[in-house]
Amino acid sequence: NAGVTQTPKFQVLKTGQSMTLQCAQDMNHEYMSWYRQDPGMGLRLIHYSVGAGITDQGEVPNGYNVSRSTTEDFPLRLLSAAPSQTSVYFCASSYLGQGSYEQYFGPGTRLTVT
Amino acid sequence: AQTVTQSQPEMSVQEAETVTLSCTYDTSESNYYLFWYKQPPSRQMILVIRQEAYKQQNATENRFSVNFQKAAKSFSLKISDSQLGDTAMYFCAYMNRDDKIIFGKGTRLHILP
Repeated sequence: NAGVTQTPKFQVLKTGQSMTLQCAQDMNHEYMSWYRQDPGMGLRLIHYSVGAGITDQGEVPNGYNVSRSTTEDFPLRLLSAAPSQTSVYFCASSYLGQGSYEQYFGPGTRLTVT
Repeated sequence: AQTVTQSQPEMSVQEAETVTLSCTYDTSESNYYLFWYKQPPSRQMILVIRQEAYKQQNATENRFSVNFQKAAKSFSLKISDSQLGDTAMYFCAYMNRDDKIIFGKGTRLHILP
């Protein structure tokens, strides 16, 4: 069981470039989500999904796109990178409806936009 | 909108002491879940403890326990017999039926030898 995997671990982008952060889980979790972590701000929800084909916006969705074509994968796309998107990005997954909702987190991706 | 507030940005305690981290939240919901997550220097997020709002009994996991006061919307974490490995950022989090999880800004805890 690999749990939640994220690639890449580190990335440097130039302003205006686009890229996709990959997230995969092998636990058959319905719920998947993306967060960004900035100093002094905690974790803020970007987008989330409660199942394949279903996505919704979180607290800070602007500048990011997601899709959920399979249960396992939940990629996060940066359409046109900006320095304000410099952050550490975490993907997480969990079961739904079983009274748990424990989030299993990936190791994070540190993104720098210059 | 729901909010989660952690009023202690940073704390330090001696090893073996007991420490309490504060968390308050704002919601109009009656059913929800509360969590404490730990983030050590490795950056990995680890669940410490969770509480379901409909359960009156406070959750306990070994040295970690919570004081859940639903009416006061308070959810503090107590760490007993603190150890050097407890040094980390601690985040309080809230989740309700909307499936959105709201995190507090965190408390950086230092356990001193």
